[in-house]
Amino acid sequence: EVQLVQSGAEVKKPGESLRISCKGSGYTFAGYWIVWVRQLPGEGLEWMGIIYPTDSDTRYSPSFQGQVTISADKSINTAYLQWNSLKASDTAMYYCARRFGTSFDAFDIWGQGTMVTVSS
Amino acid sequence: QSALTQPASVSGSPGQSITISCTGTSSDVGNYNFVSWYQQHPGKAPKVVIYEVTKRPSGVSSRFTGSKSGNTASLTISGLQAEDEAHYYCCSYAGSRTYVLFGGGTKVTVL
Repeated sequence: EVQLVQSGAEVKKPGESLRISCKGSGYTFAGYWIVWVRQLPGEGLEWMGIIYPTDSDTRYSPSFQGQVTISADKSINTAYLQWNSLKASDTAMYYCARRFGTSFDAFDIWGQGTMVTVSS
Repeated sequence: QSALTQPASVSGSPGQSITISCTGTSSDVGNYNFVSWYQQHPGKAPKVVIYEVTKRPSGVSSRFTGSKSGNTASLTISGLQAEDEAHYYCCSYAGSRTYVLFGGGTKVTVL
């Protein structure tokens, strides 16, 4: 079965660092771009950035450039989303998804989501 | 760049057809045939129902159809069913600086 499995929910304090993960299985992980999408509580979806695990080519939305780091380790079929210093406004659900088709907007397989809560 | 514009809510009775609009600009929706639509039920991950404006992924009901005219894309759900009640988000490629924009989402209610 083709799937993406994300790491579990996190509760952190402002200023702390965090890395969440997204592990693919059932397909050639390195051959598909992986996107990260943010969903603030009760709000819509936001495209954060995307990575190609084969060569770690990474593109960021201008809104998230410099705020997060996206990386991947193709040897263990895993993509990551990292923060160096969390803020309360980072509290959200984060999804990873696999790109399909010929553009950066189409994603067919989604992870279950990782809820990140940042509170003092 | 601003998110794409969708109506906050659309409703219809079972069996009816509804259409959700998604308005962008000549820099995104109007310039590329890369518009997708996602269905999201509460507490669940999104699911793609349309990609590249009109294409349906394998397994998605033919009741979902996509179209585009100028800077506005549309998703039509025909033969509305209770299971269609969800939030729907449009998504468009927006070039090599912005990359991708989502719409604000539309809540579909089946009356």
